[in-house]
Amino acid sequence: DVKVTQSSRYLVKRTGEKVFLECVQDMDHENMFWYRQDPGLGLRLIYFSYDVKMKEKGDIPEGYSVSREKKERFSLILESASTNQTSMYLCASSSDSGGSYEQYFGPGTRLTVT
Amino acid sequence: AQSVTQPDIHITVSEGASLELRCNYSYGATPYLFWYVQSPGQGLQLLLKYFSGDTLVQGIKGFEAEFKRSQSSFNLRKPSVHWSDAAEYFCAVGYNAGNMLTFGGGTRLMVKP
Repeated sequence: DVKVTQSSRYLVKRTGEKVFLECVQDMDHENMFWYRQDPGLGLRLIYFSYDVKMKEKGDIPEGYSVSREKKERFSLILESASTNQTSMYLCASSSDSGGSYEQYFGPGTRLTVT
Repeated sequence: AQSVTQPDIHITVSEGASLELRCNYSYGATPYLFWYVQSPGQGLQLLLKYFSGDTLVQGIKGFEAEFKRSQSSFNLRKPSVHWSDAAEYFCAVGYNAGNMLTFGGGTRLMVKP
């Protein structure tokens, strides 16, 4: 079974803090993604990575950065958290091989910025 | 640019009744289409996908979906809903050869006993 884990299920941070969200996948997938989930808006792509040290902006990258130093790990960084970044954050991974295109999701991190 | 619309934000059905969740997409090329389900407190799980071929696709948990190119739709159906189907359902269109996904806003399903 593919497993995608996220470092925290719930996180409470103060405005201005630097926040790290970690994601690890155990299936040697090339692609990893960070989404933000808000009611009525579905999932919106923040950043994705198709290889180690490679990253591409998604639809809503402002206020976020990412790091992928190892194939299995993809980190989302909020340099200076703001209240409008209170949301559910979902990590996903997928493989380039086999033509499946299925993305496997972690359980999510619910971040509250006060 | 691609987009996905799920017109129904909330749907309530009685247990044992049939279900249809609507999904309309906009995409210039041949679409890769997906339905995911998110149970409370969980990540998303793939229910089914359509890439090509038979336009009626079967998925897990007794779900099926039909691709209708003329209507740009990919509606999800289940003949008899169970209480455990209560969840949020997301339709998505794949682009960049299917590697990237654009999601709809989701439909929250409630099941009455």
